[in-house]
Amino acid sequence: GENVEQHPSTLSVQEGDSAVIKCTYSDSASNYFPWYKQELGKRPQLIIDIRSNVGEKKDQRIAVTLNKTAKHFSLHITETQPEDSAVYFCAATGQRDDKIIFGKGTRLHILP
Amino acid sequence: DGGITQSPKYLFRKEGQNVTLSCEQNLNHDAMYWYRQDPGQGLRLIYYSQIVNDFQKGDIAEGYSVSREKKESFPLTVTSAQKNPTAFYLCASSSFRDSFEKLFFGSGTQLSVL
Repeated sequence: GENVEQHPSTLSVQEGDSAVIKCTYSDSASNYFPWYKQELGKRPQLIIDIRSNVGEKKDQRIAVTLNKTAKHFSLHITETQPEDSAVYFCAATGQRDDKIIFGKGTRLHILP
Repeated sequence: DGGITQSPKYLFRKEGQNVTLSCEQNLNHDAMYWYRQDPGQGLRLIYYSQIVNDFQKGDIAEGYSVSREKKESFPLTVTSAQKNPTAFYLCASSSFRDSFEKLFFGSGTQLSVL
């Protein structure tokens, strides 16, 4: 089945700088890659997603890139703000069984 | 509260006891899921159901059981066979119209062992 690896587990960046979180997946049939944000004490929420037929997608300060050949996708947050502090999860889902498999998460700290 | 409700918010289990976590959604979503969240382990899939009266095991189903008698409800029972049940449990749902891709999560239940 699908396996999703996520790095780093913890990331600290200065406010205003950029943050990058990277994920790899194992199942070449996976075709949908969402990112969820979980603020402290709250439920995870979908923030951006990308399909396997697209290489990059942007939504204001966040963007996701996908390299199908390398089975690698990344979340980029620019001009980071205090409210970006949270745990971010990448995930992958394939055509075989519709299961959504998550990475272990990255705790992002935005330093003042 | 987002259309998907989990209860209780906190639950305590004694040794040898079965406990049931409730999950109800009014989003008319077809699929429902149970994830377990442990620190540093991410979200691990326990069970999921895409249709009433049918469900599939996820990656860590041992020691858990579910039922899907109604579209709106997907209760999770943590049995005495689950030796390490302390965790944060998240229920989620998704719609066939979104190809089951976009998950909407409940606010979670923290289960602890007495």
